[in-house]
Amino acid sequence: NAGVTQTPKFRILKIGQSMTLQCTQDMNHNYMYWYRQDPGMGLKLIYYSVGAGITDKGEVPNGYNVSRSTTEDFPLRLELAAPSQTSVYFCASSYSTANKAFFGQGTRLTVV
Amino acid sequence: GQQLNQSPQSMFIQEGEDVSMNCTSSSIFNTWLWYKQDPGEGPVLLIALYKAGELTSNGRLTAQFGITRKDSFLNISASIPSDVGIYFCAGQLTLRAGGTSYGKLTFGQGTILTVHP
Repeated sequence: NAGVTQTPKFRILKIGQSMTLQCTQDMNHNYMYWYRQDPGMGLKLIYYSVGAGITDKGEVPNGYNVSRSTTEDFPLRLELAAPSQTSVYFCASSYSTANKAFFGQGTRLTVV
Repeated sequence: GQQLNQSPQSMFIQEGEDVSMNCTSSSIFNTWLWYKQDPGEGPVLLIALYKAGELTSNGRLTAQFGITRKDSFLNISASIPSDVGIYFCAGQLTLRAGGTSYGKLTFGQGTILTVHP
C-alpha cells in the first residue's frame, strides 16, 4: 500500500524561486494537511483541506498556497522562496476528524 | 491558539528502563494521539485516545487521556534500543464550519529518546 506519497524528497531552492511540493494519497481520505517541521520543534500546520475544492489556513500559511482539485492530491506551492521556508515539510491525510492522520515521508527543503 | 507543552524535551536511559513522558494543553482536546518519528521519516502513529480517562496499550506502550481533557501521558516499559526516536503528542479538536466537521492536529515539541544498550 502506497499510503501518503510526497515528492520530491529533497530540494534546494534559490531565494525568490518557486516550486510545488506534491502530495498524493490512495486511501480515499477526505482530510489532508501540510505541516512544516523546524529543528527541535513540533509540527506546525500550514494549510489543510476537508475535501476536494475546500481548503483553509492553518497556523503558518504565509508564503504558501494550496489547491485541492481532486480527493487524492494536495499540492503545496511556494511562490517566492525565502530562507525562513527552509524546513522539512510533511503531508498527512485522515479519513475523518476522529481518525488518526497518516504522514508521508517528508520533503526536506533548503532555501539559499 | 492552542499550546501544547511536552516534557521532558529529551531523555537518556538504559535499556530495560521504563520511560514516561507527558503533554499538557492550555485548552481542551477531544482526541489525543501519540506519534514516533525515526530520523528522515515521517511520524508514525502509536496510540490514539478518544475519551477522557481512556487508558490504551499497544505492546509495551501505554497512553492515557487525562480526565480534564487537557493532558495525556505515554509510558514505555522495558525500553529497547529500537525505541530510540522522537515522540510527539498531538491533540485534535473537532471544529464545525458550514455543516462540515474537521480536526486540526496541534503537536507538542517532541521528546527525544536515547536508549543506551
